[in-house]
Amino acid sequence: DQQVKQNSPSLSVQEGRISILNCDYTNSMFDYFLWYKKYPAEGPTFLISISSIKDKNEDGRFTVFLNKSAKHLSLHIVPSQPGDSAVYFCAARVQGAQKLVFGQGTRLTINP
Amino acid sequence: GAVVSQHPSWVICKSGTSVKIECRSLDFQATTMFWYRQFPKQSLMLMATSNEGSKATYEQGVEKDKFLINHASLTLSTLTVTSAHPEDSSFYICSARTGYTHEQYFGPGTRLTVT
Repeated sequence: DQQVKQNSPSLSVQEGRISILNCDYTNSMFDYFLWYKKYPAEGPTFLISISSIKDKNEDGRFTVFLNKSAKHLSLHIVPSQPGDSAVYFCAARVQGAQKLVFGQGTRLTINP
Repeated sequence: GAVVSQHPSWVICKSGTSVKIECRSLDFQATTMFWYRQFPKQSLMLMATSNEGSKATYEQGVEKDKFLINHASLTLSTLTVTSAHPEDSSFYICSARTGYTHEQYFGPGTRLTVT
């Protein structure tokens, strides 16, 4: 039962344009959502998060949007830079729980 | 801030031997640490959650007698793979969080190869 789904295994974007990574979830008990970036053979790096009581959170080039009614969140990166090429994981936490549930990841490639 | 280290970064061991992986939070106290496993081109699979001073909670399907987890202090957790077999070869990643934040901070991972 995949509670957090990233349906696009890969995404290719031109440098300078906007990258939009999507994530869908099924569990309405999730109250906190996070995005992580991962390079090969390294651990994930925390990027940005959002509480379920908000619909938007912005940090520099990164913005996360949450649509609770659609059980959908997205990560916007603008402008995209070559160093953004990595695998991006969305994750969610059930209210009161410690562990995170991760999506399958989306490989983002920024083309020069 | 929020730096997590792992040691070793890679290890090769022979089948039947045991190997220990250390996870340390360098600049914060980690009340909870997590151990994940990642297979090539797949997502992170949570193996267990450990709280300092308590027994680890293992996810379904993870053998607790094979993957021994110790979280003896607020800055150190260890994962010991006992009687390793080639199918245990994988990328093991730990993460840590304080009691005050939702975010988990990940270590750089350990590549285990069992020959």
